[in-house]
Amino acid sequence: DQQVKQNSPSLSVQEGRISILNCDYTNSMFDYFLWYKKYPAEGPTFLISISSIKDKNEDGRFTVFLNKSAKHLSLHIVPSQPGDSAVYFCAAIYGAGSYQLTFGKGTKLSVIP
Amino acid sequence: SQTIHQWPATLVQPVGSPLSLECTVEGTSNPNLYWYRQAAGRGLQLLFYSVGIGQISSEVPQNLSASRPQDRQFILSSKKLLLSDSGFYLCAWSRDQGSSDTQYFGPGTRLTVL
Repeated sequence: DQQVKQNSPSLSVQEGRISILNCDYTNSMFDYFLWYKKYPAEGPTFLISISSIKDKNEDGRFTVFLNKSAKHLSLHIVPSQPGDSAVYFCAAIYGAGSYQLTFGKGTKLSVIP
Repeated sequence: SQTIHQWPATLVQPVGSPLSLECTVEGTSNPNLYWYRQAAGRGLQLLFYSVGIGQISSEVPQNLSASRPQDRQFILSSKKLLLSDSGFYLCAWSRDQGSSDTQYFGPGTRLTVL
């Protein structure tokens, strides 16, 4: 049973346009969400996170939106750059007492120059 | 600043051979430490985590084991590797501030079992 789902395995976007990566979750106990970026043969790099008490968090070109009622979050990258091409993982964690990040399977973003 | 190291970067081992992967963290004390595996076509799966020296929690049954002999050292081991152990192994750390905290990953080890 996959608790964090990234239903789009890949996404192609033109340079300068907006990239929107989506993530759905099924467990309402998740209260903290993170996005990681991963290049081939490297470990994931933390990008941005959001607590369940917020609905938006922004950091430079990256914005994460959380819709708790829909159990949905999205990562917006504006403007997209070729260096953003990577696999993006959505992850979620429970509240106190759990140390396990639950990851989605990732979405491969390709930004076309 | 904090850094996390893993070695080796790549490893090719025959079935039935032992395994030892090492992870060390610099620039922080008493971190929480984690071992993840990314198998082909799958997401990241948590294998073990540790909140202190000698304290190991296992998330999935398998033929792997983990140890934490020092505060900032985390070791992943196996006595006999299986073909299904092939994958990309990632070590991560987080601050000891409870569970809702960002995890930072090492560069990973690519393990191929033949």
